[in-house]
Amino acid sequence: AQKVTQAQTEISVVEKEDVTLDCVYETRDTTYYLFWYKQPPSGELVFLIRRNSFDEQNEISGRYSWNFQKSTSSFNFTITASQVVDSAVYFCALSEGFNKFYFGSGTKLNVKP
Amino acid sequence: DTAVSQTPKYLVTQMGNDKSIKCEQNLGHDTMYWYKQDSKKFLKIMFSYNNKELIINETVPNRFSPKSPDKAHLNLHINSLELGDSAVYFCASSPTSGGARTDTQYFGPGTRLTVL
Repeated sequence: AQKVTQAQTEISVVEKEDVTLDCVYETRDTTYYLFWYKQPPSGELVFLIRRNSFDEQNEISGRYSWNFQKSTSSFNFTITASQVVDSAVYFCALSEGFNKFYFGSGTKLNVKP
Repeated sequence: DTAVSQTPKYLVTQMGNDKSIKCEQNLGHDTMYWYKQDSKKFLKIMFSYNNKELIINETVPNRFSPKSPDKAHLNLHINSLELGDSAVYFCASSPTSGGARTDTQYFGPGTRLTVL
């Protein structure tokens, strides 16, 4: 079974639309961390956010927001008023134990002008 | 200053050759990693070193050998390159040490390896 599932392979939106990228994880640990990374067309992997399992408070950073729900094992990422520069592949990741790090398969977001 | 750097950025070579990719981090982190990203963008961890010691060695052909001369460097040597080795290889580092939980990983820019 996959540790991190990103069911949306590719999403296309028009600029200024809101978009939510889904992430579902699986772990038996009580302490774990969740991450989102962005990979723009240039190819580098950019860290966006890290949350620990004890902090379910939602987080907002500018147009980005994250919704962490342990009850559904989800850590969804919403971009408000999307822009063309948001076009990228977004990866959700889980870490558990000592240096166990699992990436989802990524969601490619296309934002059209 | 670049936090995690890799050289070369692009590597094109013939099947059967041996090649190395170098990685350096100036973040003072204890742990370094190598990942392989295939053409479908799937990221898979290959190796992890903590303070120069190997701690993760996933199922990777033994043609791949990591070497960590010090905790700021983790190089990847690949023997007898095959067509299927073509991918983007990412180096990463994190401040994890001892028995601490995994911290955020910071990635290098990637090395695109093409085997002809």
